[in-house]
Amino acid sequence: EAGVTQSPTHLIKTRGQQATLRCSPISGHTSVYWYQQALGLGLQFLLWYDEGEERNRGNFPPRFSGRQFPNYSSELNVNALELEDSALYLCASSSGRGQPQHFGDGTRLSIL
Amino acid sequence: EDQVTQSPEALRLQEGESSSLNCSYTVSGLRGLFWYRQDPGKGPEFLFTLYSAGEEKEKERLKATLTKKESFLHITAPKPEDSATYLCAVQALRNYQLIWGAGTKLIIKP
Repeated sequence: EAGVTQSPTHLIKTRGQQATLRCSPISGHTSVYWYQQALGLGLQFLLWYDEGEERNRGNFPPRFSGRQFPNYSSELNVNALELEDSALYLCASSSGRGQPQHFGDGTRLSIL
Repeated sequence: EDQVTQSPEALRLQEGESSSLNCSYTVSGLRGLFWYRQDPGKGPEFLFTLYSAGEEKEKERLKATLTKKESFLHITAPKPEDSATYLCAVQALRNYQLIWGAGTKLIIKP
């Protein structure tokens, strides 16, 4: 069974640009979660999508947004990039509410 | 306020030296507690889910236990490949969001 896949692996942007990160969940999983993990820090919850709808978002500004497609894949968009947005962005999927989340290996976003 | 605290922050052991990692939590009604392992530059790998006090789960050299206030991850006769950061997360009854601890970095020396 294929795991959660994320692309690209690495992304380098400059301040003010926009970034799009993509995630394909495990087959059969309908929930997708996005997290930010800055260097040396813990996981910070960004967004949760379930059945195409945004169900919850963390304490991040509106320039962090995303969507979930009919095939349950998802993308995270970050507008007006700032230096502090440099981090590992992790996507996870689960088969339902309350079920364990399974993670991809992330996209490393570097802002120059 | 819901909170998860993991201790110690880092733990260095010799190969074969058993020990335990702690995850203390405060949550208004526990739906589940999750243990993950994370290797550098990788996403967290799911290990266990515990749902009620007294529950235990085992996988190879790892054993997770749960009380009403904390969970322990016991590591028996660890090997260097067990070196990783171990993360604990809890999920409250009132919603489905995970509350994460900061992790324990485990280093096993050969």
